[in-house]
Amino acid sequence: EAGVTQFPSHSVIEKGQTVTLRCDPISGHDNLYWYRRVMGKEIKFLLHFVKESKQDESGMPNNRFLAERTGGTYSTLKVQPAELEDSGVYFCASSQGSGGAYEQYFGPGTRLTVT
Amino acid sequence: RKEVEQDPGPFNVPEGATVAFNCTYSNSASQSFFWYRQDCRKEPKLLMSVYSSGNEDGRFTAQLNRASQYISLLIRDSKLSDSATYLCVVNFYNQGGKLIFGQGTELSVKP
Repeated sequence: EAGVTQFPSHSVIEKGQTVTLRCDPISGHDNLYWYRRVMGKEIKFLLHFVKESKQDESGMPNNRFLAERTGGTYSTLKVQPAELEDSGVYFCASSQGSGGAYEQYFGPGTRLTVT
Repeated sequence: RKEVEQDPGPFNVPEGATVAFNCTYSNSASQSFFWYRQDCRKEPKLLMSVYSSGNEDGRFTAQLNRASQYISLLIRDSKLSDSATYLCVVNFYNQGGKLIFGQGTELSVKP
């Protein structure tokens, strides 16, 4: 069974540009999460989809970040315009159900560098 | 104060040593508890869930003390392959699947 995949693995952009990250969850997983690790800090939750609906977006830092999951399959996270503090590793995770009883499987992450 | 706190280490231990990691959490409404392992520049992977009665998986033992809001991970007979960052992770009651991560404790096992 294929795991969670993310694209691209690395992205280097200039401040003010736009970047779109993509996540393909494990097939059949309705729950999809985005997390971010900024250098020197802990991994932090950004948002949670159940199918195509945003269940919890309390972790989204500001309105420069837009996440979508059209059709309830893959998800995109767009940052527009990017700022220096957006640099970090963006992880996507998926699970069969929500709540602590369900293991979240993480993708390899997208390393974003904003210069 | 952070919601989940860990000693960042690094812990440098010889092969065969026993090492213990501790973690505290601030929210008493926390529901589920986990230890994840993260290798350098890789994604986090679930090592084990932590149950109130304590649980063991081979060389790894996890314990939870709800009264003290404290979680521990014990690794016996350390192997070189145990070198990684160990993440204490909590899921809060009624917050769906949102995971709260500690900063991680780095372990380096030397020959």
